[in-house]
Amino acid sequence: DGGITQSPKYLFRKEGQNVTLSCEQNLNHDAMYWYRQDPGQGLRLIYYSQIVNDFQKGDIAEGYSVSREKKESFPLTVTSAQKNPTAFYLCATRALAGDQETQYFGPGTRLLVL
Amino acid sequence: GNSVTQMEGPVTLSEEAFLTINCTYTATGYPSLFWYVQYPGEGLQLLLKATKADDKGSNKGFEATYRKETTSFHLEKGSVQVSDSAVYFCALSDQTGANNLFFGTGTRLTVIP
Repeated sequence: DGGITQSPKYLFRKEGQNVTLSCEQNLNHDAMYWYRQDPGQGLRLIYYSQIVNDFQKGDIAEGYSVSREKKESFPLTVTSAQKNPTAFYLCATRALAGDQETQYFGPGTRLLVL
Repeated sequence: GNSVTQMEGPVTLSEEAFLTINCTYTATGYPSLFWYVQYPGEGLQLLLKATKADDKGSNKGFEATYRKETTSFHLEKGSVQVSDSAVYFCALSDQTGANNLFFGTGTRLTVIP
């Protein structure tokens, strides 16, 4: 069963707490992305990675961190420095061979602040 | 720079009505263009795409034509169904090695029986 899984579906964060969102894929795609979606807005790029052990900041990286230790996994940590973390977070993947332009999205994680 | 401008919603149509959602873009070079659809509480699904001028992308009765002269990629469907109710995003892929996507703000479509 191929695809992109994100967990958990809902996540609650207390003030001052770091939380980590999981993104796992078995599509054998090299590139992975994290986006943030706020109500009534388009998607904004947080971080992306094209190969293992390498990643780049997107447009809104402040208050977030990532790692890419395995091709299949690209976890996103929302740190306490992110003052407005409530949003819907989407992970995406892209192949670097064949159809190199299409990104495929996971089901998302909704983060809420208590 | 790269940007996408989408028709603001929400759009409400009766079942079997004709749908158009406008999308125009600004880009350096010749980007690929996409329409994604998002159903409530879910991630984005690729609906259709076009990679060069005059290409027409189509899927599930939806169509969009890449118009370089008007920098547009309008989404159309001849007869909408209740199940088409969703948010539709227009996007372009830049032509750098990263192939990052730039999204419009989305258009919410509600189809009523």
